Amino acid sequence: AQSVTQLDSQVPVFEEAPVELRCNYSSSVSVYLFWYVQYPNQGLQLLLKYLSGSTLVESINGFEAEFNKSQTSFHLRKPSVHISDTAEYFCAVTEPYNNNDMRFGAGTRLTVKP
Amino acid sequence: SAVISQKPSRDICQRGTSLTIQCQVDSQVTMMFWYRQQPGQSLTLIATANQGSEATYESGFVIDKFPISRPNLTFSTLTVSNMSPEDSSIYLCSVVNPGGGEAFFGQGTRLTVV
Repeated sequence: AQSVTQLDSQVPVFEEAPVELRCNYSSSVSVYLFWYVQYPNQGLQLLLKYLSGSTLVESINGFEAEFNKSQTSFHLRKPSVHISDTAEYFCAVTEPYNNNDMRFGAGTRLTVKP
Repeated sequence: SAVISQKPSRDICQRGTSLTIQCQVDSQVTMMFWYRQQPGQSLTLIATANQGSEATYESGFVIDKFPISRPNLTFSTLTVSNMSPEDSSIYLCSVVNPGGGEAFFGQGTRLTVV
């Protein structure tokens, strides 16, 4: 079965600095990959996803992630973070023909400091 | 996308009692999913609920403790029975977009057992 590893449990950064949240996956077949964001006291919201095609995917609020098959990674990046980006970020993986079985990483808490 | 309404949003319950969480989706879906998110942890799938059949539980979760109903294609309930402080968690319901692969989540129910 597929699995996800998020290498950093906490990432503190200063406002306007770049950030990278790391995600590696394990699967014996092709995958769909997702990043979700969870703000305090809220449910999870989809940030971006990779299904196929271009390996670089972007969100509307400036985040991007790149699917790297050889390194089995899907790292999330933002060139300049804001205070409002402070949240928990979860990487998730499913398999195209079994996308009801979604596996989540342990989460990375991004804290943006002024 | 799907809009999911979950209630209650939070509750404080006495040990030994039960709480039923409701989840309403704005469209018909085949499967609904219930997750638990313990404090500071990632999401763990409790069970998958299909309309018209018994829910399928993941390892470590049993029907007597977490009975689930799925009376129609837009609604499901999860009951947390005979609660103990260890059941204090956020409980989330979810549906999957079969075409796009992503999951949509309710805002969660924050349960505290005292």
